[in-house]
Amino acid sequence: QKEVEQDPGPLSVPEGAIVSLNCTYSNSAFQYFMWYRQYSRKGPELLMYTYSSGNKEDGRFTAQVDKSSKYISLFIRDSQPSDSATYLCATTSGGYNKLIFGAGTRLAVHP
Amino acid sequence: ETGVTQSPTHLIKTRGQQVTLRCSSQSGHNTVSWYQQALGQGPQFIFQYYREEENGRGNFPPRFSGLQFPNYSSELNVNALELDDSALYLCASSFGTRENTEAFFGQGTRLTVV
Repeated sequence: QKEVEQDPGPLSVPEGAIVSLNCTYSNSAFQYFMWYRQYSRKGPELLMYTYSSGNKEDGRFTAQVDKSSKYISLFIRDSQPSDSATYLCATTSGGYNKLIFGAGTRLAVHP
Repeated sequence: ETGVTQSPTHLIKTRGQQVTLRCSSQSGHNTVSWYQQALGQGPQFIFQYYREEENGRGNFPPRFSGLQFPNYSSELNVNALELDDSALYLCASSFGTRENTEAFFGQGTRLTVV
């Protein structure tokens, strides 16, 4: 079983839609959860970071962590074509910033 | 841009050869981590260097080795290349190694093994 599971998609939505991206993880000891965005031919960039359970909002983006079900989500409101990218969920392990990534979900937002 | 630069951006190697990839960390950062990202997959942790010492290693064979220099730039060396080594190799730099320390990624080196 992979430590972080993510549906690779692809996901195609019309501009303005609400997008929901999800991951599950296996180890209840994980504490820090991140969402990275990766454009084609680029490295990942940190989008959202959450500690433990709860919600965090940043503009059109909301990250949610539910530690009881080991479920992490990213919501994108009013999606734009510029949001078209691969979204990677990640956590850290081993007591240092060693990142464990999901497979990534490819999102396409069409005008 | 993150200030993390990798070279080369692309290269093609033959099975059995050796390759060296380079990474310049962001100014002020003392930690470099390397990741392998196969097509359609998330990045997988190879190893991390902190102040010129290996600080952790993922599930990669010994033919993957690294080095960090006094200026905190880093190299990833892969010996006896295999077809499955074809991937995007990413380096990420950070200031320190704490779990909540943000890592900044370079644009990656695309390695193709034929």
